[in-house]
Amino acid sequence: QQQVKQSPQSLIVQKGGISIINCAYENTAFDYFPWYQQFPGKGPALLIAIRPDVSEKKEGRFTISFNKSAKQFSLHIMDSQPGDSATYFCAASGLSGANNLFFGTGTRLTVIP
Amino acid sequence: DAGVIQSPRHEVTEMGQEVTLRCKPISGHNSLFWYRQTMMRGLELLIYFNNNVPIDDSGMPEDRFSAKMPNASFSTLKIQPSEPRDSAVYFCASSPWTGSGYTFGSGTRLTVV
Repeated sequence: QQQVKQSPQSLIVQKGGISIINCAYENTAFDYFPWYQQFPGKGPALLIAIRPDVSEKKEGRFTISFNKSAKQFSLHIMDSQPGDSATYFCAASGLSGANNLFFGTGTRLTVIP
Repeated sequence: DAGVIQSPRHEVTEMGQEVTLRCKPISGHNSLFWYRQTMMRGLELLIYFNNNVPIDDSGMPEDRFSAKMPNASFSTLKIQPSEPRDSAVYFCASSPWTGSGYTFGSGTRLTVV
């Protein structure tokens, strides 16, 4: 059973556009929600993370929006650049991250010039 | 810090042979995770350790897979005997107990022919 559901599977965005990736979870014990970015041939790298006490977290062009009541969270990439082309994974865990992460199935983002 | 170090980066082996993958976590990290990544199944957690003790190995697909963590700075994942369907990229990740997210290694690409 997929603990974290992610969509879309793939996404193509024009340079300068906004990329939006969505995730949903069921387990209300989850309290740590990171996003990972993976380039081909590399391991996933932590991009940004949020805890449920805030509804939004922004780091540069990357923003996580979190809706606790709907059990959904999303990643927004503003002013998308070709260098952002990668696979993005959302994840969730309990115990504030001191536990195993459940990953979404990934979104392959392509930003075209 | 050199990050999480995995070896080898690539492994090609014949069906039936024993394969051993190695991981050196970041010093001071209490938790270590082994993941397998394939196109079909995405990132799958195989097993994770806290303070060198295996906590959850429910993701280990079969008895052919085994993992050890003899000390805080080293872990192995062994497949014996290997099969073509084991071909995948295997990632090791570590995290501190404080829950600041995982750091992944660069992975081992395993090909079983």
